[in-house]
Amino acid sequence: QVQLVESGGGVVQPGKSLRLSCSASGFIFSYYYMHWVRQAPGEGLEWVAVISYDGSDTYYAESVKGRFTVSRDNSRNLLYLQMSSLRTEDTAVYYCARVSRSHYLSSDDYFDHWGQGTLVTVSS
Amino acid sequence: SHDLTQPPSVSVSPGQTATITCSGDKLWDKYAFWYQQRPGQSPVVVIYQDTKRPSGIPERFSGSNSGNTATLTISGTQAMDEADYYCQAWDSNTAVFGGGTKLTVL
Repeated sequence: QVQLVESGGGVVQPGKSLRLSCSASGFIFSYYYMHWVRQAPGEGLEWVAVISYDGSDTYYAESVKGRFTVSRDNSRNLLYLQMSSLRTEDTAVYYCARVSRSHYLSSDDYFDHWGQGTLVTVSS
Repeated sequence: SHDLTQPPSVSVSPGQTATITCSGDKLWDKYAFWYQQRPGQSPVVVIYQDTKRPSGIPERFSGSNSGNTATLTISGTQAMDEADYYCQAWDSNTAVFGGGTKLTVL
């Protein structure tokens, strides 16, 4: 079965960096676009970034553009989110999520699998 | 701010029909998706492409999309349906979520 497991969260000071990982199993990881979605405490869902199945294309939310970098290692079935210049407003649970169709980023597609999330707290 | 607007909360009595709306500019021209998130859990899709139910989602969940408003309807609401619900659409290559609606089953 499809499994997504995030790790790397923790407490970090403003202005510092942190790298999150998402380990994927149960499907052919290299076939799928992968996303990061976050949720601040008590707040709603916010899409963060997406990377194409081969890593050649990436897109970011305006709120993180220039500070966050999404990447992947298809040989190890790993998705990453490198976060730098962190701000207190980046405090959130970060989820990795897969869309339902392989090889495409399509407006008729949906998030069919989510990890359990990893909490990032940005605080001095 | 959110490009998709949902009511913050909706209350319903057990067995009654709950309706949650999601408004956005030209939403009629996009597909709407709905996710359920129970406390402490990850989101789960309950409606995709406006009206379709994934396997395993009860028939009491249904969706529609007309004009600038998508609607999630839960018929015969049960206590287990109490959760946060989020609508979502795509804007170019980015996903946009509504602010979420807390459904309370009184």
